[in-house]
Amino acid sequence: QVQLEESGPGLMQPSETLSLTCTVSGFSLTSNGVGWVRQPLGKGLVWMGTIWAGGSTNYNSAVQSRLSISRDTSKSQVFLKMNSLQPEDTGTYYCARHPDFAYWGQGTLVTVSS
Amino acid sequence: DIVMTQAPLSVSVTPGESASISCRSSKSLLHSNGITYVYWYLQKPGKSPQLLIYRMSNLASGVPDRFSGSGSETDFTLKISRVEAEDVGIYYCGQLLEMNTFGAGTKLELK
Repeated sequence: QVQLEESGPGLMQPSETLSLTCTVSGFSLTSNGVGWVRQPLGKGLVWMGTIWAGGSTNYNSAVQSRLSISRDTSKSQVFLKMNSLQPEDTGTYYCARHPDFAYWGQGTLVTVSS
Repeated sequence: DIVMTQAPLSVSVTPGESASISCRSSKSLLHSNGITYVYWYLQKPGKSPQLLIYRMSNLASGVPDRFSGSGSETDFTLKISRVEAEDVGIYYCGQLLEMNTFGAGTKLELK
């Protein structure tokens, strides 16, 4: 069955670089795109970016200058890297599978605080 | 960027009654292939979002047929018939035509 699982450091300091991993199973990253969605605490969903089956990427213009999404197809992993973290980057980060964001991971909470 | 505007922000429903949530996009979500790329997701308390309706009117796998989606190119409606306790949560519309954006969410609670 299709599964996605996010992992990451939990607590980050301002100005640091965030690295998150989405490990998938039940499908191939060369067949389905994967997107990242952030949810600030108590707030709504914000799409961050997507890496498509062919390897191309799209980013939310609000974070494009700080964000990079990549993958290792042999390990079935998608990576999110975002630099210059600020407290407003705090939230739960989800990865979700295309098409349609039909499958979501359980999310990983990232707190940016000094 | 395409803006998705939901209404109302919250709705209180008596179990067994129906509920409707509206969503409006700032741009047509109808692709030249005839598909309208609007989606509905439900986030139950403490859980990840789950897909309810895809491409405006298609019921996602495992979703009760009490849920239905309809609309035009820019105005969309999610209808829930016979609301049950398990339907409590926040409902988001979203578009996947140009990148992705989500509405602010509509919180459904029971009376």
